[in-house]
Amino acid sequence: EIVMTQSPATLSVSPGERAIVSCRASQSVSNNLAWYQQKPGQAPRLLIYGASTRATGIPVRFSGSGSGTDFTLTISSLQSEDFAVYYCQQYDNGGITFGPGTKVDIK
Amino acid sequence: EVQLVESGGGLVQPGRSLGLSCVASGFTFDDYALHWVRQAPGKGLEWVSGIDWNSGSIGYADSLKGRFIISRDNTKSSLYLQMNRLRPEDTALYYCARGGAAGTWDYLAYWGQGILVTVSS
Repeated sequence: EIVMTQSPATLSVSPGERAIVSCRASQSVSNNLAWYQQKPGQAPRLLIYGASTRATGIPVRFSGSGSGTDFTLTISSLQSEDFAVYYCQQYDNGGITFGPGTKVDIK
Repeated sequence: EVQLVESGGGLVQPGRSLGLSCVASGFTFDDYALHWVRQAPGKGLEWVSGIDWNSGSIGYADSLKGRFIISRDNTKSSLYLQMNRLRPEDTALYYCARGGAAGTWDYLAYWGQGILVTVSS
């Protein structure tokens, strides 16, 4: 099973600042990596797939990069509605595993 | 509009069984893989199981050790999860989710609102 790790566990950011969340896979997943946003009491929402493709309706301030084992989600200028938990997920070779999540909160 | 609506959750005693259902609408059901993902209270997301468009490929999380069975009925646009020998650690919100690309396992493009399963005596 491919193990996903994320850092940091919590990220405190001021509105308007940039946030960077990292995700690492225990082995290469190529670009088979997605990012999700989850707010309290809501289902997760797909942000990024294929490591760098924004899902339908996702603002351009969200961007993803990386391949192989190391990936990054960048939120260029945090808006109030972006404070949430972010998860990465790999879907390589018929398996699916999630990272433990990164909480982005208000500084 | 894609919709996924879960049902069948509730309170169940340890060791008993429970079945979940998910009814889908707003897309061609038999074009997509479907998945169950769970989230224990205050915890992260855990993939439970997935099934491809024609039930030809099925997978489960290693941690389940054969206790759960996923199935689908394309004629009813429905996904199912039969959970057996339930344990307190199976307590979670269970989400039904649709794959992103037709016919393959990949990212989870759409999610239901989840259904709560509580395992307790």
